[in-house]
Amino acid sequence: EVQLLESGGGLVQPGGSLRLSCAASGFTFSNFPMTWVRQAPGKGLEWVSFIGGSGVGPMYTDSVKGRFTISRDNSKNTLFLQMNSLRAEDTAVYYCAKCIDSRCYFDYWGHGTLVTVSS
Amino acid sequence: ETVLTQSPATLSLSPGERAALSCRASQSVSNKLAWYQQKPGQAPRLLIYDASNRATGIPARFSGSGSGTDFTLTISGLEPEDSAVYYCHHRSNWPLTFGGGTKVEIK
Repeated sequence: EVQLLESGGGLVQPGGSLRLSCAASGFTFSNFPMTWVRQAPGKGLEWVSFIGGSGVGPMYTDSVKGRFTISRDNSKNTLFLQMNSLRAEDTAVYYCAKCIDSRCYFDYWGHGTLVTVSS
Repeated sequence: ETVLTQSPATLSLSPGERAALSCRASQSVSNKLAWYQQKPGQAPRLLIYDASNRATGIPARFSGSGSGTDFTLTISGLEPEDSAVYYCHHRSNWPLTFGGGTKVEIK
């Protein structure tokens, strides 16, 4: 059974940093691209970042470029999102999601971790 | 950036009725479009990918159609458990984007 378990969310002041983790199990992690998707309270879904199975081709939505870094440790089946220079508008539930294959549709999602940026 | 516009914002229908949800892209995305269902407090669930392919375990009452810029998710024979917000999503180019969602209410 595929499982994705996010951790690392919490309350942080504007300008601060957080590192999210997503522990994966139930599939060959290194074979699949992974993404982060976020959802602000009461709002819709927003794609944040993508990384290929071998770690190639990180991609980001414009609003996080230069502030967020996606990475993965295939030896530990874990996906990461390093978030720096956090802003109030980054407040959201952050989901990690597995791509179905090289076509990045999201077939499995974690339960999400809440990041709140506030003073 | 390819903008996806979903309509209507809210759809209120009775059990057994048919729901037709629209997703319009600001430029062609070919067939590189998916639909997701999200219930309150839950993560989204993939329903349809490549515009018309049902994901594993999705009931046959869910179907997708369209290509280019106009897409439709049809739910034939609404069930009470279909009450949710539905999002479209494209993978045609970067950045990937989602539509704003359609809320389906069951009367």
